[in-house]
Amino acid sequence: EDKVVQSPLSLVVHEGDTVTLNCSYEVTNFRSLLWYKQEKKAPTFLFMLTSSGIEKKSGRLSSILDKKELSSILNITATQTGDSAIYLCAVEVQAAGNKLTFGGGTRVLVKP
Amino acid sequence: GAVVSQHPSRVICKSGTSVKIECRSLDFQATTMFWYRQFPKQSLMLMATSNEGSKATYEQGVEKDKFLINHASLTLSTLTVTSAHPEDSSFYICSGGWGARAFFGQGTRLTVV
Repeated sequence: EDKVVQSPLSLVVHEGDTVTLNCSYEVTNFRSLLWYKQEKKAPTFLFMLTSSGIEKKSGRLSSILDKKELSSILNITATQTGDSAIYLCAVEVQAAGNKLTFGGGTRVLVKP
Repeated sequence: GAVVSQHPSRVICKSGTSVKIECRSLDFQATTMFWYRQFPKQSLMLMATSNEGSKATYEQGVEKDKFLINHASLTLSTLTVTSAHPEDSSFYICSGGWGARAFFGQGTRLTVV
């Protein structure tokens, strides 16, 4: 059974801090790993990672995949209160329908 | 970018009644759509894969007779929660496309009273 585990479950930081979120996976037929940010409703796409060791960056957010360790990290630097959300990691597998398996999410709260 | 429209966004129904949730792909054809359920403070759990013109594929533990999925056209998939009970209260989200091209609907918060 495909499994995606995120850690920590939740964390509280202050504005300006840097956070690192972890995602590890055990799946068959890995295709890609995706990060999403979910505030009140539907998740919004952040990154898709397919190649190991190549960092994807968007503003203060960055992510990297380690295929050897079957894991990925998402970094947020200089956090702002608007970064408060649940961050979801999902793995896409090569199968009928290419479905996504989500991790449990990390709830991030950024205090002013 | 592609848009997936889901409605209603919020519904309250009485126990024992059925509720239909619609998911439309507005500017692309979705031969496959996915239905997820999310309980408070938990992640998205895939319920089923909806296939246009054929039967849906349900994940283990999801009752197909309770959660009826219809995908009769390339732009519309529906999820009907039949004989709803309070434990079915949850946030239901659909998505179309794959990977980075997975576009999510706005979600439906179902409350069964």
